[in-house]
Amino acid sequence: AQKVTQAQTEISVVEKEDVTLDCVYETRDTTYYLFWYKQPPSGELVFLIRRNSFDEQNEISGRYSWNFQKSTSSFNFTITASQVVDSAVYFCALSEAFGWGKLQFGAGTQVVVTP
Amino acid sequence: EAGVAQSPRYKIIEKRQSVAFWCNPISGHATLYWYQQILGQGPKLLIQFQNNGVVDDSQLPKDRFSAERLKGVDSTLKIQPAKLEDSAVYLCASSSPWAVAAYEQYFGPGTRLTVT
Repeated sequence: AQKVTQAQTEISVVEKEDVTLDCVYETRDTTYYLFWYKQPPSGELVFLIRRNSFDEQNEISGRYSWNFQKSTSSFNFTITASQVVDSAVYFCALSEAFGWGKLQFGAGTQVVVTP
Repeated sequence: EAGVAQSPRYKIIEKRQSVAFWCNPISGHATLYWYQQILGQGPKLLIQFQNNGVVDDSQLPKDRFSAERLKGVDSTLKIQPAKLEDSAVYLCASSSPWAVAAYEQYFGPGTRLTVT
């Protein structure tokens, strides 16, 4: 069975600080996809990144970066130089290749950025 | 390109009443999902359609929840009768028809249901 664990319930930082969100997953499949979504106060889930299980390269997109390590089953997300607009709940999710796209979400991490 | 549309945005009902939610996916997206998000938790898949056929409804409480997707486009999710524990946000999402597991899902704004 697949499972996604986000152990951090809430992280509070002051603007311009870096923040790292942890995500640990479990799956029996060798082919799977990992996602991060952002859910701002408006409620709509916004796609941030997708990574497949065969691509362990880290990725950077602006102030966002992701570290994927199969050896530890982790897919961590770092926001560099945080801004107030980054305040949201962030979800890590897993999709198995033969699971028809069903997303297994973690419980989410609330990020609060104060000026 | 228009996003996923959902209505209503908010609904308050008493327990044992019925309620229905509507979703219109992104044009051309064959796959449609309904998720339930209870406060403080991640979304949980209730049902998934591929065109107008059900692919996964293993977590749908079928004694009270039902869903349909006529003509493979719009979808309706119904709860009858509602219970207090059904209070949640109901999210609709859609994705590209190809290699569904690999593609991001686009989410609507959700319907916040409160059962009193």
